[in-house]
Amino acid sequence: EDQVTQSPEALRLQEGESSSLNCSYTVSGLRGLFWYRQDPGKGPEFLFTLYSAGEEKEKERLKATLTKKESFLHITAPKPEDSATYLCAVQEGNAGGTSYGKLTFGQGTILTVHP
Amino acid sequence: NAGVTQTPKFRILKIGQSMTLQCTQDMNHNYMYWYRQDPGMGLKLIYYSVGAGITDKGEVPNGYNVSRSTTEDFPLRLELAAPSQTSVYFCASSYSGGFYYEQYFGPGTRLTVT
Repeated sequence: EDQVTQSPEALRLQEGESSSLNCSYTVSGLRGLFWYRQDPGKGPEFLFTLYSAGEEKEKERLKATLTKKESFLHITAPKPEDSATYLCAVQEGNAGGTSYGKLTFGQGTILTVHP
Repeated sequence: NAGVTQTPKFRILKIGQSMTLQCTQDMNHNYMYWYRQDPGMGLKLIYYSVGAGITDKGEVPNGYNVSRSTTEDFPLRLELAAPSQTSVYFCASSYSGGFYYEQYFGPGTRLTVT
């Protein structure tokens, strides 16, 4: 069974203090790893998809990286508006036939950035 | 382009009551999903649909039903509500259920069953 574990559960940073969030996964065949941002009272908002080990993607102060066992979301010089819950999810590959796009989500990391 | 919309935003039900959570998308996506999110837990898939007239169970389907008569709409029906169904429900859609296509989420419906 696919498993996704995110750490830490919560992270408090000062504005400008860079850090990283971790997403460890166990899946028989990874097709994609997705990062989402979720603000309180709202639905998850898509950030990145990573497909293969060694891949990196960047968006403003966020950079996502992927290895064969985990993904990191690096936050450089964060601002208070980066405060949110960050979710990662994995999509398992399907050897044959079609896939309905099943995503297995981690429990999320709550990031708080203080001014 | 509104994306994925859900109604209602909030609802309180008594045990044993029934209700339908509405979900509509205007992106012409053929795949749609219903998730529930409980505090401290990841999103769990309830039901999904790969197109009009085609639905299937996800990880936690008990106590729920769905239908998909059009590409745009994917309502979730709760029959005989129970306290265990207190949760936040999210509808999502994607261009395809195949690889590489991200899912877009609605704003959620917060349901309390008392």
